[in-house]
Amino acid sequence: EAGVVQSPRYKIIEKKQPVAFWCNPISGHNTLYWYRQNLGQGPELLIRYENEEAVDDSQLPKDRFSAERLKGVDSTLKIQPAELGDSAVYLCASSPPSGGAEAFFGQGTRLTVV
Amino acid sequence: AQSVTQPDIHITVSEGASLELRCNYSYGATPYLFWYVQSPGQGLQLLLKYFSGDTLVQGIKGFEAEFKRSQSSFNLRKPSVHWSDAAEYFCAVLFMYSGGGADGLTFGKGTHLIIQP
Repeated sequence: EAGVVQSPRYKIIEKKQPVAFWCNPISGHNTLYWYRQNLGQGPELLIRYENEEAVDDSQLPKDRFSAERLKGVDSTLKIQPAELGDSAVYLCASSPPSGGAEAFFGQGTRLTVV
Repeated sequence: AQSVTQPDIHITVSEGASLELRCNYSYGATPYLFWYVQSPGQGLQLLLKYFSGDTLVQGIKGFEAEFKRSQSSFNLRKPSVHWSDAAEYFCAVLFMYSGGGADGLTFGKGTHLIIQP
């Protein structure tokens, strides 16, 4: 069974430029999460989707971050414009449709803003 | 406020020695509890989880964890560590709503495990 797939693995951009990350969750997983992990920290939730609906985006900086999950499968997280402080690893995770199940994580996208 | 605390930022253990990583949570009810491991440049891999029942849970790679309600703790243990266990370890909790829904995982800041030869 394929795991959660994220691309790209690494991205280096100049500040004020836009950037997008893509995530393909495990087949059949209706819950999808985007987390941000700063250096030396644990992951922090940015947004959670149940199918195509964003049910928790309270931690998403909406002035520059946006996300979408069309058709309730793949998801894209975008930053525009990027700031130096956005340098982090962006992790995507998915969970199957049963309450309390663990999340399965992708390998993440390491973003460096210079 | 709900929180997860991993009090040890770094732990150094000799290969073959036993290991215990601490995790405490703050919540009014029993959450779902997890331990994840992260190797450099990799995503997070689930080691074990506790939802209910037996408070001593077994996981992969020889790890186990014990839930202690009175101490709000979920410490991770391994009787004999291997050099390949060197990694970052994260405790995480899932706080459940009374109606059955839940937010995303809340993670501790992690414990960096160093294995000495």
